[in-house]
Amino acid sequence: EIVLTQSPGTLSLSPGERATLSCRASQSVSSSYLTWYQQKPGQAPRLLIYGASNRATGIPDRFSGSGSGTDFTLTISRLEPEDFAVYYCQQYGPSPITFGQGTRLEIK
Amino acid sequence: QVQLQESGPGLVKPSETLSLTCTVSGTSISTYYWSWIRQPPGKGLEWIGYIYYSGSTNYNPSLKSRVTISVDTSKNQFSLNLTSVTAADTAVYYCARPRGGSSGQFDYWGQGTLVTVSS
Repeated sequence: EIVLTQSPGTLSLSPGERATLSCRASQSVSSSYLTWYQQKPGQAPRLLIYGASNRATGIPDRFSGSGSGTDFTLTISRLEPEDFAVYYCQQYGPSPITFGQGTRLEIK
Repeated sequence: QVQLQESGPGLVKPSETLSLTCTVSGTSISTYYWSWIRQPPGKGLEWIGYIYYSGSTNYNPSLKSRVTISVDTSKNQFSLNLTSVTAADTAVYYCARPRGGSSGQFDYWGQGTLVTVSS
């Protein structure tokens, strides 16, 4: 199975700053099959980015995704208070579907 | 609007079978791949498996020997059975639906239901 490793584990930033979250795959993943989610406490995950770089419906344009092969990035250009949450990458190329362990984005 | 709702016992004894149902509203279950995903308290997400409305399934190899996912198109529901549970199966269980044409871009989720395995 493809193992996704996210870094850093925790990212401490202030509102207005730029956040860069990394997701590295143990083997190449088609960009079409790389997805990002946001999860807040007590809530189900929310789809942010699909196909590595496409924003899901209703997602603000401060969220962007990039990358290919084994290295993918989620960028939040200017952090808003509501962006502090846990972020997961996920791939659904070869089965099984796998998730990264998550990056916690916390207020500094 | 599309809604998913998990239901089932919140407490299951060790060695018994965990059974959950996901009721889908706002869309027909007779399309898409329908998944179960779980999250142990304070931990990350684990995909359990999916079923297509036709009945074909795909399970995570780590759970395959204990998992069965079934669908009832007449009730617009799909279900999860996980046998021989242990404390390690304690988690919030989510049902989820991906975007059309994909099996893994989950854009609709249930609220999740906590299942605790304990005697």
